[in-house]
Order: sequence, then structure tokens, then C-alpha cells
Amino acid sequence: DAGVIQSPRHEVTEMGQEVTLRCKPISGHDYLFWYRQTMMRGLELLIYFNNNVPIDDSGMPEDRFSAKMPNASFSTLKIQPSEPRDSAVYFCASSHGGRYGYTFGSGTRLTVV
Amino acid sequence: AQKITQTQPGMFVQEKEAVTLDCTYDTSDQSYGLFWYKQPSSGEMIFLIYQGSYDEQNATEGRYSLNFQKARKSANLVISASQLGDSAMYFCAMRVERHAGGTSYGKLTFGQGTILTVHP
Repeated sequence: DAGVIQSPRHEVTEMGQEVTLRCKPISGHDYLFWYRQTMMRGLELLIYFNNNVPIDDSGMPEDRFSAKMPNASFSTLKIQPSEPRDSAVYFCASSHGGRYGYTFGSGTRLTVV
Repeated sequence: AQKITQTQPGMFVQEKEAVTLDCTYDTSDQSYGLFWYKQPSSGEMIFLIYQGSYDEQNATEGRYSLNFQKARKSANLVISASQLGDSAMYFCAMRVERHAGGTSYGKLTFGQGTILTVHP
């Protein structure tokens, strides 16, 4: 089991550019979550999916953020246009519920300059 | 809405001693789960331990145990025999659980974290 795979690990982009973060969940997990971590706000849930369907996107900051899950093995988080305040570590996590919590990916460190 | 409070921004402990990291939570739901995660300086999030609100015994996983006091709404993590590798950020989290088809689901809400430093 390769765990939750996120790419890229690091992304540096200029303000105004489009950024796409990618996530491959663990096979068999039917929940997928996108979190953002910053020093000021800690870990925030942005959106989560169940069986590829978005369940709660109330944490998505604004219309510049969008997330998709076209199939059970892939999800993207897109920011367009990016702004310096979007700089953070973005985590993807997957779960099949139960007592074992969520398995997190290694995160994508995004820097918008 | 659920809220997790970790009141200790930083904690220090001597190697081989035990340490308790505090966590209190607030929810009106009766069915919920409490989790602890470790985040070392490398950044990954590592699941440590889980406690269900209806579990009759406190959870234990190796050197980790969870001191669950439901009436006080606290779920403190106890690390016994601290090791240098335990130095990390520790997060308490809660999930309100709604059961469907035998599994429980819901989003994790995290506290602000406690930085633990283990001294040799």
C-alpha cells in the first residue's frame, strides 16, 4: 500500500497563475478530504468527498478554489487565480471511516509570490 | 458546531519521563470519535490513537494512552517513557460520527496543536 500520494511536493508560482494540486487516495477508501495548514489558522478542512461526490465544501475560501474527484482514484484542488495568501501546506487525506482515522498524504507546500 | 481546544502551545519533557498533552472538546452530539495525530518536523501527519465516545475503556496504543473523561469533555494524550523521536507537534481532533452501513464518517475538526520537545 503506497499510502495517499500527493503531487507536487512543492510548488512555487506567481500571483495570478493557476495552480493544480493532485491526490491519489488509498484504494478502497471512499472518503477523501482536502485540508489546508497555515501557522495562523491551523488545519482547516476545505472540502470532502464521499464516493466521488462532494459532501461539504463550506470550507472552500472563495470561488477561486475548486475541487474535483472524477473517479475513486484521483482528485484535484485548483486555485485560479492564485494569491500570496494562498501560501500554505495542502494535505489530502482518505478514509473508509471507522476507528482508524484518516491517512494523510505528505502534503503540497504551496508558495505564491 | 464542534470545537477542539489545546491550551498548551508548547510542552517540555525529559527523556524517559511521561507527559500529558491536554485536549478539551465541545459538541452537542452523543456519538463522536476523538483522535490524536503527530506531526514531526518533516510535516507528515501520523495517526496515533482513537477513542470512541461509547468506548468503555480508555484507548491505548503502545506508549500512547488516551485519558478520556467524558463528563469533563477531555481527551488527554499520555505518552509514557518519552523518546527524543517524540519531539513533534501533536494535534487532537474530533469527528462527529454518523453510522451508515457499518462505518462511521464525518469530518475531522482539529485543535491548534501542542509542540512537544523531549530533552535528553
